[in-house]
Amino acid sequence: QAGLTQPPSVSKGLRQTATLTCTGTSDNVGNHGTAWLQQHQGHPPKLLSYRNNNRPSGISERFSASSSGNTASLTITGLQPEDEADYYCSAWDFSLSAWVFGGGTRLTVL
Amino acid sequence: QVQLQESGPRLVKPSETLSLICTVSGGSISNYYWSWIRQPAGKGLEWIGRIYSTGNTDYNPSLKSRITMSVDTSNNQFSLKLYSVTAADTAVYYCVRGVPPDLDYWGQGTLVTVSS
Repeated sequence: QAGLTQPPSVSKGLRQTATLTCTGTSDNVGNHGTAWLQQHQGHPPKLLSYRNNNRPSGISERFSASSSGNTASLTITGLQPEDEADYYCSAWDFSLSAWVFGGGTRLTVL
Repeated sequence: QVQLQESGPRLVKPSETLSLICTVSGGSISNYYWSWIRQPAGKGLEWIGRIYSTGNTDYNPSLKSRITMSVDTSNNQFSLKLYSVTAADTAVYYCVRGVPPDLDYWGQGTLVTVSS
């Protein structure tokens, strides 16, 4: 199953800004939207943004999503220790009729 | 608040069938897509398949030959059967509500181990 491409790891300092990327194709990210999930160790993933840029209730404004072409991005401002987690992008692939995920990015807050 | 809870055997023998049920509470199972997603220890997420409340299904092409999903709207449940399991099927299995591209409600997950 073809997946989306994410960098395996990103490290940033406390209160800095991190931008995580997710690259797909026109069959998924490029034309059909991307969602972002946050997963802390030992917990299920949590939806951070949906339909490209909308935040579910209770999600901090420090999290914002965007996309350009076949690449989606998640920007986290004012990094806090609790932001240290794995972040996954997801999209529906219309050519595969399947949900596809990125391999995940582990964010470390220094 | 919609809640999902996975249930089923935690240990399955190789070559046998993994069976899980997801019970949905706090909302109706009708008019939504419901997915199964798994995550081997220390690895990423893998979508297994989804079922609509009417029973229509889409399966991961790499697992399609070994999967059956079903829905029971009267009990607000949906289920997964994965046949002929091997050690590679050992993972945390999540049931999830989703409308593409969004997977908005997740169960807590259940660890299923394939071992003799």
